[in-house]
Amino acid sequence: GAVVSQHPSRVICKSGTSVKIECRSLDFQATTMFWYRQFPKQSLMLMATSNEGSKATYEQGVEKDKFLINHASLTLSTLTVTSAHPEDSSFYICSAFRQGAEAFFGQGTRLTVV
Amino acid sequence: QKEVEQNSGPLSVPEGAIASLNCTYSDRGSQSFFWYRQYSGKSPELIMSIYSNGDKEDGRFTAQLNKASQYVSLLIRDSQPSDSATYLCAVTIQGAQKLVFGQGTRLTINP
Repeated sequence: GAVVSQHPSRVICKSGTSVKIECRSLDFQATTMFWYRQFPKQSLMLMATSNEGSKATYEQGVEKDKFLINHASLTLSTLTVTSAHPEDSSFYICSAFRQGAEAFFGQGTRLTVV
Repeated sequence: QKEVEQNSGPLSVPEGAIASLNCTYSDRGSQSFFWYRQYSGKSPELIMSIYSNGDKEDGRFTAQLNKASQYVSLLIRDSQPSDSATYLCAVTIQGAQKLVFGQGTRLTINP
């Protein structure tokens, strides 16, 4: 069964609004979670590393004020896309390492901004 | 140079044949290597992990790692149409849990 759960799986929002995506580790504690974005026919691009109890680490070119990450507990990280625009439409995926060795992914969230 | 490189394909293989997927990486200090399968519209699913030189077999899948050549491959024996997907090679950068992905190889198994 799934070890990392992501919600919602699909969301459509109006331009200018904010959207929150949740990522939960189901049977293990994750001090670190990762957020990826994937555009059609492209690979996964790491956006940021979410650290429990501290600030997220963002990859170069990712706006931290636009993509807010909160990792308030050992099993939950959230990504909020603020003031979403159509170019933010993408597939967002979170992941976490279980037992420090292998990364498992959430089901992904298909965001469409209209 | 990209950190992890794969041939984007598409790679077409007849059903029952062996599919061979290749990946090279640039960071000599990389320690962990993974193959993920991704169906269209879905998130990646872990197929194999490999950490030391040589071969690792799991059912119809065999991962091969050659750290001297900075090369990792995945063989799929007795290919099935259900194996048709994009296969992503991923590497952890030395000292970090961060995964870096290749661009993926699209594999099609023809009945």
